Amino acid sequence: NAGVMQNPRHLVRRRGQEARLRCSPMKGHSHVYWYRQLPEEGLKFMVYLQKENIIDESGMPKERFSAEFPKEGPSILRIQQVVRGDSAAYFCASSLSSYSNQPQHFGDGTRLSIL
Amino acid sequence: EDQVTQSPEALRLQEGESSSLNCSYTVSGLRGLFWYRQDPGKGPEFLFTLYSAGEEKEKERLKATLTKKESFLHITAPKPEDSATYLCAVQFIQGGSEKLVFGKGTKLTVNP
Repeated sequence: NAGVMQNPRHLVRRRGQEARLRCSPMKGHSHVYWYRQLPEEGLKFMVYLQKENIIDESGMPKERFSAEFPKEGPSILRIQQVVRGDSAAYFCASSLSSYSNQPQHFGDGTRLSIL
Repeated sequence: EDQVTQSPEALRLQEGESSSLNCSYTVSGLRGLFWYRQDPGKGPEFLFTLYSAGEEKEKERLKATLTKKESFLHITAPKPEDSATYLCAVQFIQGGSEKLVFGKGTKLTVNP
């Protein structure tokens, strides 16, 4: 995927540690979305951000999870005090706008494993 | 209640054996229906957007169609490289903002 870049691709953390996932959108895209995917489950929306603003965080757990998309640099999804249930693949997507005529383009994800 | 349901969950085909995947949705006020392809260990790759009933889009061996409550992804004479999980997603307005909801996908395996 020449567009959306996510890193790291794999992240291992012990219970109680913090996980930071980074996402650089496609060039020219200012809309960023984070999703979580569990085995046998569909992609679940977490949060939608534009530069310096959280637009919709209705899918994000109220505790321990936060997201930002600063004026400069990548978008960050932060998970504090990780628990085993946080193990999943986290995908970032970006688009030119939030309207349906501009599809979301995805990165290859970060696979988070909690020991 | 799932808003987007894909069937079957898994499908095995022989090379050259055409078939269809189904995506049904219950949301109202559809803004767009999207098909993606996802390979193992990769992110979803955008294939098509459909906006209104009767619309069709084609790309190589794939053709997507849309009715009022469902979409079909037709695969004609598939090849082993078409093996992947195909995801359907619908975009609609909820609470004043655009929402995109994904189905769980259909895992397609094409045997040579």
